[in-house]
Amino acid sequence: AQSVTQPDIHITVSEGASLELRCNYSYGATPYLFWYVQSPGQGLQLLLKYFSGDTLVQGIKGFEAEFKRSQSSFNLRKPSVHWSDAAEYFCAVGVVGGGGADGLTFGKGTHLIIQP
Amino acid sequence: EAQVTQNPRYLITVTGKKLTVTCSQNMNHEYMSWYRQDPGLGLRQIYYSMNVEVTDKGDVPEGYKVSRKEKRNFPLILESPSPNQTSLYFCASSLLGPANSPLHFGNGTRLTVT
Repeated sequence: AQSVTQPDIHITVSEGASLELRCNYSYGATPYLFWYVQSPGQGLQLLLKYFSGDTLVQGIKGFEAEFKRSQSSFNLRKPSVHWSDAAEYFCAVGVVGGGGADGLTFGKGTHLIIQP
Repeated sequence: EAQVTQNPRYLITVTGKKLTVTCSQNMNHEYMSWYRQDPGLGLRQIYYSMNVEVTDKGDVPEGYKVSRKEKRNFPLILESPSPNQTSLYFCASSLLGPANSPLHFGNGTRLTVT
């Protein structure tokens, strides 16, 4: 079965500093990988996704992520964070069954705190 | 406006009293799913549906039922709620399936079972 590990439960970053959120996955085949963001009191919103091709993917809000097969990682980065980036971030791996997509397995999330 | 609508937003009930959380989407999406979110556990899938009359168990289906009689609606039913089902529930939909198209989430239903 697939699994996703986000090693950092909380991360604190100063506004304007760079950010990297870690994600490691375990899946037998080529994974479909996603990052979602959850603002307080809201549902989740897709930031970016990786299906195939270029291993560096660009997302919304200035985020990017790099797929590294050798490390089974899909880390999320942003060069300069803004106070509005404070949120919960979830990495997820997609499972595709014989008849189509079955679902996503989510990591437990990383809570991002932005210091002024 | 394209959206996933869940009702109610907050619900407090007692053990054993049947309840239904409704979910509706107006995007003509094929795929719909229910998740529960618990502190330290992230999101876990309860049930999903690839199309009308097609539903499948997710990772934590025990104690829940779903139905998909129409494409737009995917209600979550708790026949006999228990305190361990106190959680934040999210309904989500996507055009073809979450590995092929983005999931759109509702704003959540916070359920407390006493």
